[in-house]
Amino acid sequence: GQNIDQPTEMTATEGAIVQINCTYQTSGFNGLFWYQQHAGEAPTFLSYNVLDGLEEKGRFSSFLSRSKGYSYLLLKELQMKDSASYLCAVSDSNYQLIWGAGTKLIIKP
Amino acid sequence: DGGITQSPKYLFRKEGQNVTLSCEQNLNHDAMYWYRQDPGQGLRLIYYSQIVNDFQKGDIAEGYSVSREKKESFPLTVTSAQKNPTAFYLCASSIRAEAYNEQFFGPGTRLTVL
Repeated sequence: GQNIDQPTEMTATEGAIVQINCTYQTSGFNGLFWYQQHAGEAPTFLSYNVLDGLEEKGRFSSFLSRSKGYSYLLLKELQMKDSASYLCAVSDSNYQLIWGAGTKLIIKP
Repeated sequence: DGGITQSPKYLFRKEGQNVTLSCEQNLNHDAMYWYRQDPGQGLRLIYYSQIVNDFQKGDIAEGYSVSREKKESFPLTVTSAQKNPTAFYLCASSIRAEAYNEQFFGPGTRLTVL
C-alpha cells in the first residue's frame, strides 16, 4: 500500500529552528510537496523536491533523499505566524498526490 | 485577482438530502480536484478532472458526483448515498495534471450533516 508518515504534533520556541520529517512508501515517485495549512484554511504551497538534496527558500528549506524515502522541512527563525499544520504529499506513478496526515506545529513565545 | 472560490464556507444539511458544493477558478487551469479532509487524516481525493467534459474517480468517490461542463467550474454533489458526509471539502486546481505543477486550493467548505 501507499503510506506517508509524519509526526502528529511538534512544539518549538519562537526564534528557534525546527525540522519536520516525512517518510514515504508509494507506487512510483514523481516528486514531493510541502504545504502549510492554518487552522480552517486552505493549504498553501511551500516547496517541491524531485531530485535529492536541499532546496532553500528564505526561512524554509526542504530536503529529499529518494533512496531512503525521506524528506524534511526545516523552518528557521520561527515566528508565531508559523504555527500551522505542515502537510507532506508525494506524487505517485499516476501523478496523484498521496497526502500525509500533517504535522501540527505549535510555536511558544 | 486570480484564484479559486468555493461557496458556501459553511453548509448544514439534513441527513438524506443531496447537496452541491461550488468550485470556480479563474486561473485558466486545465486540471481540477476535489478532496475531503477529516481530523487526523491526510487529504483524500474524491474526483479529479484533467480537461473539460472529462473526470475520473479518486480513492473515495462512492456517494459523490461531479461535472465539468466549463473549464472554470467543477461542482461536487454529495449524495444521500455518502455514509459519513460531514467533513471539510477542499477544491484545488493546477495548470495541468503533471507532477511538477503545484495545486492551488480554494478556502474550503465545511459541510455538517445533521
